[in-house]
Amino acid sequence: AQKITQTQPGMFVQEKEAVTLDCTYDTSDPSYGLFWYKQPSSGEMIFLIYQGSYDQQNATEGRYSLNFQKARKSANLVISASQLGDSAMYFCAMREGFYNQGGKLIFGQGTELSVKP
Amino acid sequence: DVKVTQSSRYLVKRTGEKVFLECVQDMDHENMFWYRQDPGLGLRLIYFSYDVKMKEKGDIPEGYSVSREKKERFSLILESASTNQTSMYLCASSLKEPYEQYFGPGTRLTVT
Repeated sequence: AQKITQTQPGMFVQEKEAVTLDCTYDTSDPSYGLFWYKQPSSGEMIFLIYQGSYDQQNATEGRYSLNFQKARKSANLVISASQLGDSAMYFCAMREGFYNQGGKLIFGQGTELSVKP
Repeated sequence: DVKVTQSSRYLVKRTGEKVFLECVQDMDHENMFWYRQDPGLGLRLIYFSYDVKMKEKGDIPEGYSVSREKKERFSLILESASTNQTSMYLCASSLKEPYEQYFGPGTRLTVT
């Protein structure tokens, strides 16, 4: 079974508008972490934001915020005021358990975001 | 800034060749990882290492091996390259704590 599901293969958004990228996850471990990464066409994966399962507040980093709904097992990424440079692939990832050896991440299939001028 | 470097951005090899992909990080990270990325499949973990000389299989280790003789260097080895190993290979590193992984620029490998 898929542990991380991103149901939107591709999305378009108008410049300066907000956009939400969906991510649902599946785990029975009470301790886990959720990550979002951005991959521009250059190929390098860029870390955007992190949410721990025990964090009470939704994580925010500049224009990025993570809408964490634990009961629904969703961790959607919200990008406010989209910019042309936001056009990229976006991956949601999960780490099960804290302090487990290696810190493995499980990635979703990705969502390709295109920002229109 | 954390720096993760990979030996090549693009590589073309022939079927049956032995291929070495090198990854070096400069931030004294304990954990290092090798992923392959294919369209529609996201990133899949091949191998990871949480200490020097320690290695663990990921989700798709078949056809690959790894080596970590020094903390900063993690090598991925394709013993006998095959066309189905044509892919983008990404190396990453992280601290032991549940922090984010830092990725290298990737190596696009083509096996003909």
